[in-house]
Amino acid sequence: SSELTQDPAVSVALGQTVRITCQGDSLRSYYASWYQQKPGQAPVLVIYGKNNRPSGIPDRFSGSSSGNTASLTITGAQAEDEADYYCNSRDSSGRRGVFGTGTKVNVL
Amino acid sequence: EVQLVQSGAEVKKPGESLKISCKGSGYSFPNYWIGWVRQMPGKGLEWMGIVFPGDSDTRYSPSFQGQVTISADKSFNSAYLQWSSLKASDTAIYYCARGPPHDYGGNFDYWGQGTLVTVSS
Repeated sequence: SSELTQDPAVSVALGQTVRITCQGDSLRSYYASWYQQKPGQAPVLVIYGKNNRPSGIPDRFSGSSSGNTASLTITGAQAEDEADYYCNSRDSSGRRGVFGTGTKVNVL
Repeated sequence: EVQLVQSGAEVKKPGESLKISCKGSGYSFPNYWIGWVRQMPGKGLEWMGIVFPGDSDTRYSPSFQGQVTISADKSFNSAYLQWSSLKASDTAIYYCARGPPHDYGGNFDYWGQGTLVTVSS
């Protein structure tokens, strides 16, 4: 089982805000990165570090962290944001990585 | 342009060996980590392990230690994932991805297209 836990699914109305969380002890020491994956496609990095977006990622995506919880927020969700989202950080040893369990975001 | 190009789909029988590849271009291949990620059918992403081509430093998830071998050859700008004896449960898509020099946990900014491995008798 993963050391990073996410809610299996969340729903958001078009244009509204949704927050996806990722919990794990290692997040007290390390930032999480976040990936979006659409069916049949490779994952795409959307947030890394404290709150950094790679080139081309819309500014409606933002990241934050507090204690053992990292969060990805989509402000003004669009239909194209419907996807699976995964967090990623170090494991409890700090010497390897681990992915979260994944959250499916449904845009209504 | 940074690219990671993976080898093509494979169909194998249980007990057979396999080595799949990931070739990087458009950046200094020795100086970035390359991670391998498994995605079983309909399931989530699993961090398998990571290699730094510059010095071959390799780290494995405990779940995959001893089950696969990860390597890299900087002279060919390529990383590899290999099995000595495949099982049906190894059926999955395997992705390679690039990680920054300072972080062996992830932060994968570029991904390969994935290699589908099917193991069936």
